[in-house]
Amino acid sequence: GESVGLHLPTLSVQEGDNSIINCAYSNSASDYFIWYKQESGKGPQFIIDIRSNMDKRQGQRVTVLLNKTVKHLSLQIAATQPGDSAVYFCAEIPNFGNEKLTFGTGTRLTIIP
Amino acid sequence: GAVVSQHPSWVICKSGTSVKIECRSLDFQATTMFWYRQFPKQSLMLMATSNEGSKATYEQGVEKDKFLINHASLTLSTLTVTSAHPEDSSFYICSARTQGVGEKLFFGSGTQLSVL
Repeated sequence: GESVGLHLPTLSVQEGDNSIINCAYSNSASDYFIWYKQESGKGPQFIIDIRSNMDKRQGQRVTVLLNKTVKHLSLQIAATQPGDSAVYFCAEIPNFGNEKLTFGTGTRLTIIP
Repeated sequence: GAVVSQHPSWVICKSGTSVKIECRSLDFQATTMFWYRQFPKQSLMLMATSNEGSKATYEQGVEKDKFLINHASLTLSTLTVTSAHPEDSSFYICSARTQGVGEKLFFGSGTQLSVL
């Protein structure tokens, strides 16, 4: 079936540097994408979302880029902090009337002090 | 922002017993809630969609008689793991959808179930 996947399972970044987490999706009909952060033993925390009619969206220290041509999604975290260490999931929804999220496998981001 | 409360955070039970997990939307009404299961170092897998006032919709491969879902009010959904076995040990997470403009999904903090 169609799936959402991540390129890198682990990523280590020096504190203060920028990090980029990538995600590939295969359902070209997906029109809504979300990035979640999950700390150990906790539920996913919403970070940022983007609809398919956009190619970039910025939040506080985070930017999501969507490239529909190659079906690629990325999450950029600027000036990383120790608290950014977590597993990051991208998720897609085929259409927002159907809220069944399909999660990617996750990338573990470790911030090195 | 919207808050989803999940209780208990962790539970240990004996094999053969049943365990109930509660998911509450604290500051919004949720006609639809979702239950996920997550094994260590794996992603979240949707188990079922909980609909207020009607039967839950289960994903393929999820036993409805094993995982009972009740969504009796607009702010509460419960998942009961019946006759739990060690293979049911997992991290269970619920989510709830806000309604109206700017709909978003928010997640509970999860319940770690350990079946001995």
